Amino acid sequence: SQQGEEDPQALSIQEGENATMNCSYKTSINNLQWYRQNSGRGLVHLILIRSNEREKHSGRLRVTLDTSKKSSSLLITASRAADTASYFCATDGAAGNKLTFGGGTRVLVKP
Amino acid sequence: DAGITQSPRHKVTETGTPVTLRCHQTENHRYMYWYRQDPGHGLRLIHYSYGVKDTDKGEVSDGYSVSRSKTEDFLLTLESATSSQTSVYFCATLNSDRAGDTQYFGPGTRLTVL
Repeated sequence: SQQGEEDPQALSIQEGENATMNCSYKTSINNLQWYRQNSGRGLVHLILIRSNEREKHSGRLRVTLDTSKKSSSLLITASRAADTASYFCATDGAAGNKLTFGGGTRVLVKP
Repeated sequence: DAGITQSPRHKVTETGTPVTLRCHQTENHRYMYWYRQDPGHGLRLIHYSYGVKDTDKGEVSDGYSVSRSKTEDFLLTLESATSSQTSVYFCATLNSDRAGDTQYFGPGTRLTVL
């Protein structure tokens, strides 16, 4: 079973709008990561947030983490057509060197 | 791009035939991983390696074996391919630095078992 579950499964927005997706997980983590996958390509790391952090920014990306609710959110501000991709959250276990991925959120940004 | 290549990129084979997928990295990363990606399941870990000749099973290891004889190469073998192993296979390596442990992914291999 998947440790992380993304919500929604799919999201369609207009260029310039913000996109928000959520991830819920089941067990304790050291950190949570978000990855992007463009169609037909491998995953690319976007951002990592540690369990003792509550919010992190990277460019147009904002990630929050609520360990009490075992959930995280990824916000993409001022979306562009190039942001069209699938986004995955991934959590580590106690060992830290294995990741468990959620099923992903497909984001379509319409020009 | 962490210098990860996969070969072949596409393969069509028949049920019962052996198949070997290769992952090659140029980053000297210690950890390497094989995942499969299927609709509705996200990425699932098949096997991983934590050093030369050191490997361990992942979530969906049945029907797969791996080998790592050199730091840069990690092979995934399907001894007798089945249609349920039709999937896209991704190799990844682990980069550890002060920012944390992050994985770098190869471009994937699309395998079709007829």
